[in-house]
Amino acid sequence: NAGVTQTPKFRILKIGQSMTLQCAQDMNHNYMYWYRQDPGMGLKLIYYSVGAGITDKGEVPNGYNVSRSTTEDFPLRLELAAPSQTSVYFCASSALASLAKNIQYFGAGTRLSVL
Amino acid sequence: ILNVEQSPQSLHVQEGDSTNFTCSFPSSNFYALHWYRWETAKSPEALFVMTLNGDEKKKGRISATLNTKEGYSYLYIKGSQPEDSATYLCAPTYGTYKYIFGTGTRLKVLA
Repeated sequence: NAGVTQTPKFRILKIGQSMTLQCAQDMNHNYMYWYRQDPGMGLKLIYYSVGAGITDKGEVPNGYNVSRSTTEDFPLRLELAAPSQTSVYFCASSALASLAKNIQYFGAGTRLSVL
Repeated sequence: ILNVEQSPQSLHVQEGDSTNFTCSFPSSNFYALHWYRWETAKSPEALFVMTLNGDEKKKGRISATLNTKEGYSYLYIKGSQPEDSATYLCAPTYGTYKYIFGTGTRLKVLA
């Protein structure tokens, strides 16, 4: 009963380093999302995907890239880490977003610090 | 930029008290409103999804109402218990992917 799995849970990066945050879901959901959550702020949408091979930008996409080669996986890539990317990152998935009613299932989050 | 406001930001109540919070959102082009419960060190979990003006949902001691014309939703907790301590997020949607999350109301129930 895994749901949405994110790895790693914690990571410290140096400025300019790159890394990939992994997200996998086993619920056969079409829609997947990446959010970041900064202190005192709500969840901000970074990127989303409506299915394998299809991705699009959310509210705050700068500095990130995504890919969706399979239904299950939706990795988030930071190419040149900056202190402004210090945040907690959440991946989520939902079965159908077209009705805007379906709930999202969230992973446990990845806490990233860029120093 | 769509602005979603939740109030209060935080509150402490005694065990057994009833409480309520507010989510205010732009009513134009509104699709649906989601409420999530987010416990510390865990991930958000969905409570309710509401779409129609006047909708009311209930789950145990927690209930919610929706006013789409004026753009607000109330979440009520009756007889608060320590296990209700969490951050409660609302997220109106304005399209297929546009879930706009509020900053949440942090509830602490004191035993």
